[in-house]
Amino acid sequence: DTEVTQTPKHLVMGMTNKKSLKCEQHMGHRAMYWYKQKAKKPPELMFVYSYEKLSINESVPSRFSPECPNSSLLNLHLHALQPEDSALYLCASSQDVSVESLFGPGTRLTVT
Amino acid sequence: QKEVEQDPGPLSVPEGAIVSLNCTYSNSAFQYFMWYRQYSRKGPELLMYTYSSGNKEDGRFTAQVDKSSKYISLFIRDSQPSDSATYLCAMREGGGADGLTFGKGTHLIIQP
Repeated sequence: DTEVTQTPKHLVMGMTNKKSLKCEQHMGHRAMYWYKQKAKKPPELMFVYSYEKLSINESVPSRFSPECPNSSLLNLHLHALQPEDSALYLCASSQDVSVESLFGPGTRLTVT
Repeated sequence: QKEVEQDPGPLSVPEGAIVSLNCTYSNSAFQYFMWYRQYSRKGPELLMYTYSSGNKEDGRFTAQVDKSSKYISLFIRDSQPSDSATYLCAMREGGGADGLTFGKGTHLIIQP
C-alpha cells in the first residue's frame, strides 16, 4: 500500500455542525500533515505530527482540532466553521520530516 | 524568510515541445526540493524529489537544483496534452519537523 487515503471526498456542513476529516496511510511514515488549499492557491501548512506528537501548529483557529490516534491515522475535527473555511483539505505523510511528502486526494469542504 | 517565487502562467506550448518550469527562493537553508503536478480539484502528485544541488532524471522529466543561485528547474521532454496541469515547486529545510513551502504553481497548457 503506497498511498494516502482521505475520507470523505466531499463534505458540506453548516456553521453549527461538528464533523471530522480522516486520513490514513500504511507506509510506515512517521510524519503526517494537514494542509489547506484555496482555489488557484498553493497548499498552506496547518499542522504537523511527528511520531504521533503535534510538532507544528501554524496559528490555526481553534475551530480546527487535529488528532493522531496512532501512527497510521490522522483526523481533523471541525466545529463552528465559517464560510471562508471552504477549501480543499489535504493530508500528507513522509517517512520522516526530511524527505518527500506524499499527498492524499483531499477532502473538498464547503461551509454553508 | 521562506518565500518561494514561481511564475503562475499560464504557459501554453505545442505538443512535443520541451517545457521549462522554474522557481527561485531566498532561504539558503532549504535542502530538499520537490516538484508536484496537480490536476484540477485533485491532490498534488509527487513528480520529482532532489536533495541539495544536482540533476535528477526520471523518464521525460528532469529536475535541476542550483543552490548557489537559489534556482530550481523542471524540464518536461516530448510534452503531451495529458501533461496539462498546475506544477508546484516545494521545498523544506529538513532536520526537524518542518512542512513544505510551496511556490504559487505554474498552470501549464499543452496544445494538441
